[in-house]
Amino acid sequence: DVKVTQSSRYLVKRTGEKVFLECVQDMDHENMFWYRQDPGLGLRLIYFSYDVKMKEKGDIPEGYSVSREKKERFSLILESASTNQTSMYLCASRTTGGSGYTFGSGTRLTVV
Amino acid sequence: GQQVMQIPQYQHVQEGEDFTTYCNSSTTLSNIQWYKQRPGGHPVFLIQLVKSGEVKKQKRLTFQFGEAKKNSSLHITATQTTDVGTYFCAGPSGGYNKLIFGAGTRLAVHP
Repeated sequence: DVKVTQSSRYLVKRTGEKVFLECVQDMDHENMFWYRQDPGLGLRLIYFSYDVKMKEKGDIPEGYSVSREKKERFSLILESASTNQTSMYLCASRTTGGSGYTFGSGTRLTVV
Repeated sequence: GQQVMQIPQYQHVQEGEDFTTYCNSSTTLSNIQWYKQRPGGHPVFLIQLVKSGEVKKQKRLTFQFGEAKKNSSLHITATQTTDVGTYFCAGPSGGYNKLIFGAGTRLAVHP
């Protein structure tokens, strides 16, 4: 069964900490995405990557960075966590020209 | 910028009633996708529509893509408690295979 795996289901971090969210997919997909999901706002794209070492800003990249050193792994980094980054973070992948995204189970991050 | 809007935000039905959610894009879409997210879960891809006026069915779910390729709908016939969740539509945004999502319609089904 194909999968997108996010390393943590729940995280609690302190304000100012550097936070790493990891995502691994086993489908050999070229494209990977990080979204955050907040009530009433739907899914908003933070960053995406269409190839190894390639990254593009999404709609809300401020306060985040990403890393894609290997095709299967896409990391989201919160450089200095703030309380307004408390959210559900969803990783997804998709093959180029394919149809739907495959999402991971999500990481619920709380910044205190 | 490009926007995808969904209505209603929330729908509460009795089991057995029908349900429809509507999706409208500010721009013409090459395709539209629908996802379902169960409570506490993650979005799961349901279907993609590509052709103008296309209608597809999955059991009790009927998906339509408008003639102008700017709107879409999902209709559920005779809802069941297993239909509970949030339904999202999504369309391509720019290049690179990325999608822009609507805010979703949350469906509650009462037995």
